[in-house]
Amino acid sequence: DAGVTQSPTHLIKTRGQQVTLRCSPISGHKSVSWYQQVLGQGPQFIFQYYEKEERGRGNFPDRFSARQFPNYSSELNVNALLLGDSALYLCASSDLQGGGEKLFFGSGTQLSVL
Amino acid sequence: GNSVTQMEGPVTLSEEAFLTINCTYTATGYPSLFWYVQYPGEGLQLLLKATKADDKGSNKGFEATYRKETTSFHLEKGSVQVSDSAVYFCALSERTTGRRALTFGSGTRLQVQP
Repeated sequence: DAGVTQSPTHLIKTRGQQVTLRCSPISGHKSVSWYQQVLGQGPQFIFQYYEKEERGRGNFPDRFSARQFPNYSSELNVNALLLGDSALYLCASSDLQGGGEKLFFGSGTQLSVL
Repeated sequence: GNSVTQMEGPVTLSEEAFLTINCTYTATGYPSLFWYVQYPGEGLQLLLKATKADDKGSNKGFEATYRKETTSFHLEKGSVQVSDSAVYFCALSERTTGRRALTFGSGTRLQVQP
């Protein structure tokens, strides 16, 4: 079975631009979460979606938004990019609402903002 | 709020040496505790977990015991291999229905030399 897939792998944007990152969960997984990992730090929780509904939001500005589609894939959007948004963005899926304690992570999208 | 503190790296060991990576946490409830590992260029993989006090998680020779009295979850391995070189993240998850958000430490890089 395919794991969590994310696209693109790498992305370069300039300040003020908008970016969309994509994630496909493991087949059968209905929950998708997004994390931001700044170089040298641990991942920080951004969003969790389950059955197309937002179930949790971390401490990120409104420039960050996300959605989940009927096939459980997800997009993360970031508007008005700042230099500080440069990071590895990780998507994770799980198979149970709340009760699924094992998250499966993708390899991430490396975003560079110049 | 929740937080996780890990010992700073890098930790450099010779092959077959004993490994300890310290992790302590702060949480308002009774979290589940995890160790994730990140190999170069890859996403995070769950290494082991413990869901209640005095539980011991183990996998691939790694062990960690959930110590509620000291709020700790130290990672140990009796004999490390070169292939164990990676970044290790300690994390916690509050048991909130419908939400699964992990709080990560900053990571500890392990380098094992032949």
